[in-house]
Amino acid sequence: DAKTTQPNSMESNEEEPVHLPCNHSTISGTDYIHWYRQLPSQGPEYVIHGLTSNVNNRMASLAIAEDRKSSTLILHRATLRDAAVYYCILRSQGGSEKLVFGKGTKLTVNP
Amino acid sequence: SQTIHQWPATLVQPVGSPLSLECTVEGTSNPNLYWYRQAAGRGLQLLFYSVGIGQISSEVPQNLSASRPQDRQFILSSKKLLLSDSGFYLCAWSRGLAFYNEQFFGPGTRLTVL
Repeated sequence: DAKTTQPNSMESNEEEPVHLPCNHSTISGTDYIHWYRQLPSQGPEYVIHGLTSNVNNRMASLAIAEDRKSSTLILHRATLRDAAVYYCILRSQGGSEKLVFGKGTKLTVNP
Repeated sequence: SQTIHQWPATLVQPVGSPLSLECTVEGTSNPNLYWYRQAAGRGLQLLFYSVGIGQISSEVPQNLSASRPQDRQFILSSKKLLLSDSGFYLCAWSRGLAFYNEQFFGPGTRLTVL
């Protein structure tokens, strides 16, 4: 699976929007962009994924750049429960079954 | 809706003792099933995955084994635990090919081998 680059940490205030960036300049045409998060002492949690078009679900929105070399996970109103490590990964057709997380972005939400 | 269960939540076992961790999924049929381990402060390590009953693929050779006796049941076992087997064990499922489908994780079992 292709490599992604994320900031090590970000900070936000409760009730404010959060934009978590991810660079994936070597993405191929069939790679899906997936986001997961891991809260302290819990297993990973799927957040959202997409291919080319922007995606929305009950948890977040995913904005994908037109050239697909970057994407942004948007939490519209951060809550304390959103404090977690967020992982952006690319899943390749024909690639491994395993999820390989990089270091991710540790999001701190201030009350 | 789909639900994934794992038990026990925590386990403390002596070195050399056997292990059996169980995972079940509800609300879906013929899921892909996965066992991961996460050592303290480290990333996910895929141990086994299964695309159907009796079909097990091993990612890392070690003293652990997995079985899938029923469509929605996945079991992780060991005959003799090592200290290095300590970690956070996670079961996950997906609808099909992982590159397209998301994986949903269970609550995990925190295993300490003493």
